[in-house]
Amino acid sequence: KAGVTQTPRYLIKTRGQQVTLSCSPISGHRSVSWYQQTPGQGLQFLFEYFSETQRNKGNFPGRFSGRQFSNSRSEMNVSTLELGDSALYLCASSLGGGHNGETQYFGPGTRLLVL
Amino acid sequence: SQQGEEDPQALSIQEGENATMNCSYKTSINNLQWYRQNSGRGLVHLILIRSNEREKHSGRLRVTLDTSKKSSSLLITASRAADTASYFCATASNSGYSTLTFGKGTMLLVSP
Repeated sequence: KAGVTQTPRYLIKTRGQQVTLSCSPISGHRSVSWYQQTPGQGLQFLFEYFSETQRNKGNFPGRFSGRQFSNSRSEMNVSTLELGDSALYLCASSLGGGHNGETQYFGPGTRLLVL
Repeated sequence: SQQGEEDPQALSIQEGENATMNCSYKTSINNLQWYRQNSGRGLVHLILIRSNEREKHSGRLRVTLDTSKKSSSLLITASRAADTASYFCATASNSGYSTLTFGKGTMLLVSP
């Protein structure tokens, strides 16, 4: 099976702009989670989507949003970018059967730089 | 917020030596997982240990879990240069979600 793919891999934006990142999960996986990784804060959970519904959300401002499509592909959007949004954004997919803490399969990440 | 705290933050060893990394967490868990990350890339799942298990092996990896002390350790035996990476522990609660809470990781450097 193909792994989790994320596009784009690298992105440079300026403050105030918005950005959309895309994630295609492993075929058959219905849960998609997003994480932000920075040197200072480490890996932090953003949100999880399952069957097109946001099932869980981390402690991030409303500028961070996401959605999931019927084919389980997911997008996350960050509006009004700030310098502190520079990070590696990781998407992970899992079967999503409601099991506690299933193994997650990560994509290569999108590295976002905000200038 | 971080649930797991890895120790040490960085570890440098020679090829052939064993590497031990520790992880402590704060709340009750359903399972604990270890992941590896090579230099700014995606994470690769290594091993999952459930809260009712005490030890698990996978190839050169050995994981222990002590729920009374809320701690886990990852042992990599006979390390290779290719094991150079950051290692993260991640905990899963009993929330019914897939969400994992990660520690800040241990950077392992294995020198030839």
